[in-house]
Amino acid sequence: QVQLVESGGGVVQPGRSLRLSCAASGFTFSSYGMHWVRQAPGKGLECVAVIWYDGSNKYYSESVKGRFTISRDNSNNTMYLQMNSLRAEDTAVYYCARDYYSDGSGHTNWLDPWGQGTLVAVSS
Amino acid sequence: VLTQSPATLSLSPGERATLFCWASQSVGTYVAWYQQKPGQAPRLVIYDASNRATGIPARFSGSGSGTGFTLTISTLEPEDFGVYYCQQRSNWPQKYTFGQGTKLEIK
Repeated sequence: QVQLVESGGGVVQPGRSLRLSCAASGFTFSSYGMHWVRQAPGKGLECVAVIWYDGSNKYYSESVKGRFTISRDNSNNTMYLQMNSLRAEDTAVYYCARDYYSDGSGHTNWLDPWGQGTLVAVSS
Repeated sequence: VLTQSPATLSLSPGERATLFCWASQSVGTYVAWYQQKPGQAPRLVIYDASNRATGIPARFSGSGSGTGFTLTISTLEPEDFGVYYCQQRSNWPQKYTFGQGTKLEIK
């Protein structure tokens, strides 16, 4: 079955870096756009980064643009989120999610399924 | 910007739930709804404004276009309670925005 497993979260000091990974299985990874969504404690959802199925197009929210980099390795069925210059406000559970469908257009669409999330806590 | 109302909806099992999502500008039918239960990842419920996702019961329905959207649960089951988020997406320019959520709680 389709499975997404995030890893790499933890406690990190402000200004430091962290790399999250999302290991995918159960589907043809190279055919689907992928997303990183975060949820601060007790708050709502924020889409922080999106990458097309082939890595040719990427989107970042304004809050992370210039600090975070999304990438993917289709040969290893893994997506990454490199997070630099971390701030206290980046503290959140980070979810990876797959495009709901692959229609060949390249455009990403809705998010399903989701991984279980990994917690990133930025604190001194 | 997406605005959801109400912020909290208190209903009993068996009742009908109606949740609203308003966009600050027209988004066509590029809206989805997600359900999130405590301690769990969200799950897609409705996409493209009115299409039920795989495995979602028929009691869930979505409607709307342009700037106003509705998620209706015809007869609430105990497992339907949680937080519901609407989301809009656009291809050009690329943008993905979630509403602030509606908490559907048991009365």
